[in-house]
Amino acid sequence: DTAVSQTPKYLVTQMGNDKSIKCEQNLGHDTMYWYKQDSKKFLKIMFSYNNKELIINETVPNRFSPKSPDKAHLNLHINSLELGDSAVYFCASSQGVGTSGRAQLFGPGTRLTVL
Amino acid sequence: GNSVTQMEGPVTLSEEAFLTINCTYTATGYPSLFWYVQYPGEGLQLLLKATKADDKGSNKGFEATYRKETTSFHLEKGSVQVSDSAVYFCALTNCGGSNYKLTFGKGTLLTVNP
Repeated sequence: DTAVSQTPKYLVTQMGNDKSIKCEQNLGHDTMYWYKQDSKKFLKIMFSYNNKELIINETVPNRFSPKSPDKAHLNLHINSLELGDSAVYFCASSQGVGTSGRAQLFGPGTRLTVL
Repeated sequence: GNSVTQMEGPVTLSEEAFLTINCTYTATGYPSLFWYVQYPGEGLQLLLKATKADDKGSNKGFEATYRKETTSFHLEKGSVQVSDSAVYFCALTNCGGSNYKLTFGKGTLLTVNP
């Protein structure tokens, strides 16, 4: 199936730990994104990569570090997890930079719970 | 900057009722407009889109028309089903500069009762 996939789907961890979320797309897209959805369902962009190059970096604590080993993968590493990091994290991808009409397709999300 | 305002939910309807979810936007230039849907416990799915003024996006019985004069992109469906119960997000992207990101509205929870 062509899709955006994320692992893990659920992640429960203790405060202070370091964790990673992985994202892969097999759609041949050249741009990938991370979004955060808070408990009120509000969605906000965190990062975007185009051809492995960082192009969007919103106001996100530097404990969050994205890594794109190739065009098909964009991973999110989070250091020193805090309670406020609990959220659902969505990966997305699209084709083309600056072509705003191209829809972004989303992965199933990773629900992170920090205890 | 860009912003999207959607009607506050929750919206509760009976099956076969008419649905409107209002969405207005603020953006410079010529944004593209989208509706995404999030079913319970799932990720976001693209529902429909429109890329220029007067375009109508449609899918699964849902429609929305890009109205530049009123900066609106209201979602409508003539007869909702229980399976339409979900959170609906209006969003835009804007061409130019580094505005490749989606800017979302706050979402509208729709519940359809049998």
